[in-house]
Parts: sequence; structure tokens; C-alpha cells
Amino acid sequence: RKEVEQDPGPFNVPEGATVAFNCTYSNSASQSFFWYRQDCRKEPKLLMSVYSSGNEDGRFTAQLNRASQYISLLIRDSKLSDSATYLCVVNRNTGGFKTIFGAGTRLFVKA
Amino acid sequence: NAGVTQTPKFRILKIGQSMTLQCTQDMNHNYMYWYRQDPGMGLKLIYYSVGAGITDKGEVPNGYNVSRSTTEDFPLRLELAAPSQTSVYFCASSSPREQYFGPGTRLTVT
Repeated sequence: RKEVEQDPGPFNVPEGATVAFNCTYSNSASQSFFWYRQDCRKEPKLLMSVYSSGNEDGRFTAQLNRASQYISLLIRDSKLSDSATYLCVVNRNTGGFKTIFGAGTRLFVKA
Repeated sequence: NAGVTQTPKFRILKIGQSMTLQCTQDMNHNYMYWYRQDPGMGLKLIYYSVGAGITDKGEVPNGYNVSRSTTEDFPLRLELAAPSQTSVYFCASSSPREQYFGPGTRLTVT
């Protein structure tokens, strides 16, 4: 079992739709959590950090449930420009500091 | 502030050749990483470094070597290139909160 698991998709949604991505992690010692975005043939870039209290950045909302070891990303009012791969990322500091990337969820937003 | 830079952007190698992928960061980060990403797949950690003079293996280190003589530079060496090393290679450095990636090197081994 992978330490960070995501639904690979792809998710095909129309413009204006709301879409949610889920991510689970298996190591309870995980300390910090992030969503990264990767456009086709480009490098990953930080989208947002994820906090236990939940956090919002414009149309994007991230949630963390430590008890269930579950992270989510909600995108409201999808735009064509949201089409990308979304990577769930977990940091932990057991046996040395480690960053673990999920394999990513692909999103296609269509007109 | 250039962030993380990588050279070359593209390279074609013949089987058995060697090369060094260069990576430089100007953010004074201690942590640096090398990843590979195969088509349609996630990132796999090859090697990482927690500071000058300190390196450690990641998930897929075989066939690669690294060195870290300065904070800024973290080159990745491929010895005896094999077709299985055809991939996109990303270098990254990190603050405690974020990893910053270079633009990647697309390597083909034929």
C-alpha cells in the first residue's frame, strides 16, 4: 500500500462545476500537508497548505481530518485554467524528514 | 532571484553514456532533492540532501550518484545510461513549508 494514495481520475467536469479530490495517508506521524498543482510538461507548484481547521483560498478549499488520515481539496466554479494534475503531499519527521508525493489526480475542465 | 535552475532542458543519450544533470538554487535552502517522473506517473525520489556534504538515498537511487559540495549546487550523475532512465528529472529545494521545483530535464536514452 502506498503511503499517500489518490484517485488518479481523470475527472472530466464542465466549466462552473464543483469538484472534490480526496487523498489518504497511512503514516499517523505525518505532520504537514499540502496540495500541489502540476500543469502538463511543467514542474509542480504549491497550490495551498492544508490545516486541521480547514482553509480557503478563493475558489479552493482544503480540509484535513487527522483522525481518518484524510485530506481533501474542493474546487468551486471550475475554470478551463484549472485543468491540471493535483498532487497530495505529506511531510513527516520520523526516521528523518521526508516529503511524500501522491501520484496525482488529473482534472479536465471542459467548455 | 532565479529560484531553482536546471541544465540542460533536454538531452538524448546513447546506452552506456554518462552525463551530469546540473541543479542550482539561490534561496539558501539546506534541503535539496532529485526526482524522476515517468510519463503519466507520480514523482519518485532519487536522492536528497539535508545540507552541504550530506546526501542520502531516496526511493530509486540505483544507477545515479549525487554530491553536495555547496549549499547552492546539487548535481545528479548518471553512469552507464539505460533506456529505463528515460524520464523527466526534477530538482527541488525546500523551505520548511514548501518545495520549489526547477523546470525539469527531459532525458531520452536510446
